[in-house]
Amino acid sequence: KAGVTQTPRYLIKTRGQQVTLSCSPISGHRSVSWYQQTPGQGLQFLFEYFSETQRNKGNFPGRFSGRQFSNSRSEMNVSTLELGDSALYLCASSSRTGLTGELFFGEGSRLTVL
Amino acid sequence: DQQVKQNSPSLSVQEGRISILNCDYTNSMFDYFLWYKKYPAEGPTFLISISSIKDKNEDGRFTVFLNKSAKHLSLHIVPSQPGDSAVYFCAASFYNNNDMRFGAGTRLTVKP
Repeated sequence: KAGVTQTPRYLIKTRGQQVTLSCSPISGHRSVSWYQQTPGQGLQFLFEYFSETQRNKGNFPGRFSGRQFSNSRSEMNVSTLELGDSALYLCASSSRTGLTGELFFGEGSRLTVL
Repeated sequence: DQQVKQNSPSLSVQEGRISILNCDYTNSMFDYFLWYKKYPAEGPTFLISISSIKDKNEDGRFTVFLNKSAKHLSLHIVPSQPGDSAVYFCAASFYNNNDMRFGAGTRLTVKP
C-alpha cells in the first residue's frame, strides 16, 4: 500500500509570494491533516479535512488555507509568505475508522522563505 | 498554547540500557496519547499509544506509562538500541479527533 505522498519535497520562495503544497493520502483514507514543524515548536496543527470538509482548524492566520478534493487529495496554500513561515509542512492521513487515532505521515515539504 | 510539553530536548543513553522519555500535558480532557518517532528526512511514524482509561501499554521493547493525576506520560525503551536514535514526539488527542497536539520532541541518541 503506497504511503502518504507530498509534493514538492523542497521549495524556496521569497517574502510576499504564495505557495501551494500537495498531499495524496493513503488509498482509502478520507482524513487529511496538515502540520507545521519548526525547531523547538514541535508539530503544530494547521487543519484537518474529511470528505472535502474542514473539520478542525488550528491557531494559524487566515493566510494558511487548505482544501480537499473528492479523491481525498489535499492541498494547502500559504499566501503573502513571511520569513517565519519557513518550516517543514507535514501531511498525515487517517482512516478514522479505528479508535487508535493513528496518523500516517508523509515525508513533508520543506519550505524556505527568503 | 503548548498543551503538550516535552521538557528534555535531548537524551543520550548507552546501548542496552533503558531510555525514558517524558511528556507532560495540561488539558485533562485529552483521552488518547501517542508516541511518534521521526528520523531525519522522514515523516513521523507511529510507535505506541495509550488510552486514558489505561495506565500502561506495552509493545515489545516499548512501554508507555500514563499518570493521569500528574498529567504525565513516559515512554520506556528497554533495551535501547542504536537504531532507536531519533526524535520522539509525544502527542495527545481527544476521542476520535485527529487534531493532535504534539510536544516539541526529544532527540534520543543511543551510543554503541
